[in-house]
Amino acid sequence: DAGITQSPRHKVTETGTPVTLRCHQTENHRYMYWYRQDPGHGLRLIHYSYGVKDTDKGEVSDGYSVSRSKTEDFLLTLESATSSQTSVYFCATRDGPNQPQHFGDGTRLSIL
Amino acid sequence: GQQLNQSPQSMFIQEGEDVSMNCTSSSIFNTWLWYKQDPGEGPVLLIALYKAGELTSNGRLTAQFGITRKDSFLNISASIPSDVGIYFCAGRGGSQGNLIFGKGTKLSVKP
Repeated sequence: DAGITQSPRHKVTETGTPVTLRCHQTENHRYMYWYRQDPGHGLRLIHYSYGVKDTDKGEVSDGYSVSRSKTEDFLLTLESATSSQTSVYFCATRDGPNQPQHFGDGTRLSIL
Repeated sequence: GQQLNQSPQSMFIQEGEDVSMNCTSSSIFNTWLWYKQDPGEGPVLLIALYKAGELTSNGRLTAQFGITRKDSFLNISASIPSDVGIYFCAGRGGSQGNLIFGKGTKLSVKP
């Protein structure tokens, strides 16, 4: 949907290792978002971007950083992964301020 | 912060029945969105609502933006097995325009 590709789709790693998830879009949308989805919590916003090099924190940003050096790519980094960051991560994009968000298919991340 | 209450949490219905689910908020929203998520996939937009009182249909789906701007409902008529999934509401408000999501309604349909 909306030309959003998330990579990797699945990853298993160990506590304390750095992890980077990538979101790539082909629609030239200005806004990009990272969410995590956990049972009982629904979708929660981690970080978002409103343009190249313009990012801001969401509801659950602790332990995460993001970068957006190009319109099409939005990277989510866990500097030192913890087991509490085991989750399914979704990227979303939207075109303008009154447009709906469209989602990628997610990355399932397991931290052992 | 802003919270959305989505109900019911789950529904188990017979094929052909109508379904209704709703979301209520403690805050006013200027946009309501309804998404459906299938296992292993991302949420897919079903209906977007932008004005209080707006009633919008998409096939067998109908959604309304409550006139108080604090609620929305989604109806599915004559359910079929492929309606199975998790339905999420989302509201947009505030200066940044970020979405707040409900926790989802899991729909199961018996053939």
